[in-house]
Amino acid sequence: NAGVTQTPKFQVLKTGQSMTLQCAQDMNHNSMYWYRQDPGMGLRLIYYSASEGTTDKGEVPNGYNVSRLNKREFSLRLESAAPSQTSVYFCASRNPVEAGETQYFGPGTRLLVL
Amino acid sequence: AQTVTQSQPEMSVQEAETVTLSCTYDTSENNYYLFWYKQPPSRQMILVIRQEAYKQQNATENRFSVNFQKAAKSFSLKISDSQLGDTAMYFCAFMNYGGATNKLIFGTGTLLAVQP
Repeated sequence: NAGVTQTPKFQVLKTGQSMTLQCAQDMNHNSMYWYRQDPGMGLRLIYYSASEGTTDKGEVPNGYNVSRLNKREFSLRLESAAPSQTSVYFCASRNPVEAGETQYFGPGTRLLVL
Repeated sequence: AQTVTQSQPEMSVQEAETVTLSCTYDTSENNYYLFWYKQPPSRQMILVIRQEAYKQQNATENRFSVNFQKAAKSFSLKISDSQLGDTAMYFCAFMNYGGATNKLIFGTGTLLAVQP
């Protein structure tokens, strides 16, 4: 089991460019999440998908879009990157029926917007 | 809205000693989960320990244990026999019980340095 994987690991963008962050999980989990982590702050939820075919906004959704392509994959898109989106992005997945409600995280994508 | 507060931005401990990291939270819910995650320099988020609010017994995982005080809304993490590999950022997190849309709410983290 690879768990939760994310690509790319690191990316540099210029202001206004677009890109898609990819996330995949092989644990057959229903729910998937995108967080961002900024210095001095905990992780903040951007978007989540409770199940295949559904997506909902989290705490900081502005400037992002998501796609739940299938049960395994959940992508995050920046249509027009801004310096304020410089951050580390984490994808996570969870199976609601699993005891303990644990979320499992990917290794993160470090994004720098110039 | 639920909030999680970690009031210790940084802590230091000598190898083999014991250290306690503090966490308080605010919620009006009665059923929920609490977690401690560890983030080493690799940035990977690793689950350390979890506690179900309906359980009175404090969770324990090897050298890691919690002191869960539900009435005080306090959830501290004790690390015994600290090792150099415990050096990391530690995040306390809260999740409501039940439902497919439940989300983790994180504190701002405590950076723990284990000194040789």
